[in-house]
Amino acid sequence: KNEVEQSPQNLTAQEGEFITINCSYSVGISALHWLQQHPGGGIVSLFMLSSGKKKHGRLIATINIQEKHSSLHITASHPRDSAVYICAVRGNTGTASKLTFGTGTRLQVTL
Amino acid sequence: ETGVTQSPTHLIKTRGQQVTLRCSSQSGHNTVSWYQQALGQGPQFIFQYYREEENGRGNFPPRFSGLQFPNYSSELNVNALELDDSALYLCASSLVSYSEQFFGPGTRLTVL
Repeated sequence: KNEVEQSPQNLTAQEGEFITINCSYSVGISALHWLQQHPGGGIVSLFMLSSGKKKHGRLIATINIQEKHSSLHITASHPRDSAVYICAVRGNTGTASKLTFGTGTRLQVTL
Repeated sequence: ETGVTQSPTHLIKTRGQQVTLRCSSQSGHNTVSWYQQALGQGPQFIFQYYREEENGRGNFPPRFSGLQFPNYSSELNVNALELDDSALYLCASSLVSYSEQFFGPGTRLTVL
């Protein structure tokens, strides 16, 4: 079992829909990252959070430390949101610098 | 402010060869992390450099080695290339080892 699990693996939505991507992890963490990767390969950091909730534009990220779970929400989705969304965690023991990644959720938003 | 850059963009090598990939960190960042991303997978942590010293390593064999220079740019060297080394190699820089990471565009390595 991977230390970081994401669901769903693939998601298709129509423009305007509210989208939720889930991330569960099995280790103690000091921080959780949400990343966006476009087909060319480049990765953009969306959020880094260790508690509560963060919002940036149409994106909202929440984390529940007790339940070891985080969600990324996209409101009023748009075709330009189509990308792979990756959850990554930084452990709180051992190599503090190491990020462990999920396998990503591929989102396709259609008109 | 200049972002993270990587070179080359694409590279084709044959099995057994050696390769060097380069990364220039974002201005003011003294930490560089390297990741390997196989097709359809999430990135895997290779190692991190902080102020020219290795600061953590993932489960990669010794033929994966690195360097960080006084200007905080970095190199990833892979010796004795294997077919399974074909992947996208990403570097990310950060202000310190535990802060938000900013990723470069990646180098796609193909080993034939």
